[in-house]
Amino acid sequence: GAVVSQHPSWVICKSGTSVKIECRSLDFQATTMFWYRQFPKQSLMLMATSNEGSKATYEQGVEKDKFLINHASLTLSTLTVTSAHPEDSSFYICSASLDLETQYFGPGTRLLVL
Amino acid sequence: RKEVEQDPGPFNVPEGATVAFNCTYSNSASQSFFWYRQDCRKEPKLLMSVYSSGNEDGRFTAQLNRASQYISLLIRDSKLSDSATYLCVVNGAGNMLTFGGGTRLMVKP
Repeated sequence: GAVVSQHPSWVICKSGTSVKIECRSLDFQATTMFWYRQFPKQSLMLMATSNEGSKATYEQGVEKDKFLINHASLTLSTLTVTSAHPEDSSFYICSASLDLETQYFGPGTRLLVL
Repeated sequence: RKEVEQDPGPFNVPEGATVAFNCTYSNSASQSFFWYRQDCRKEPKLLMSVYSSGNEDGRFTAQLNRASQYISLLIRDSKLSDSATYLCVVNGAGNMLTFGGGTRLMVKP
């Protein structure tokens, strides 16, 4: 099946720093990539939808200036958490869509902000 | 009301038991439905799609009732390795997935 990678798999940073997370579709071109966030013992929540070459569409309550998304190519999307704070600590998961039916998930990035 | 609702559990069952999970969704325009499995600290993985006619994959049976906006997953002959969180997922317009809160299953020897 289709493979999606994320890097890094985990990151610990100091409050106020920015963290970039990469999401790559390894063996297919993804027209759309999605970014999710999952807090402990909660389900995944969609943060934004990213289409190659256009601006991301953010879900209500997600600050676009804080969570910068760049979808530079059909195989790469990046999420930058700017000026991270402890409340941003979470499990960030991306997915890539091959067609209109299926999303393939990356392994996730665990962020801990001290 | 949440868009996709599940009983969070946990469901504690012995090996070999049959266990059923239910899920309800609020958007009647939802187009496709899935069950995902998520292990602790891992990404969700597709377990199976859910079709209107009902479908089976080995020990797993999924059913959809569009009139009641209700989805179910039945696991027969539970294995220890089935212990995980099972997420009910609904796909609306634009390939947007909405996740339920998940139902945690613990299968014990």
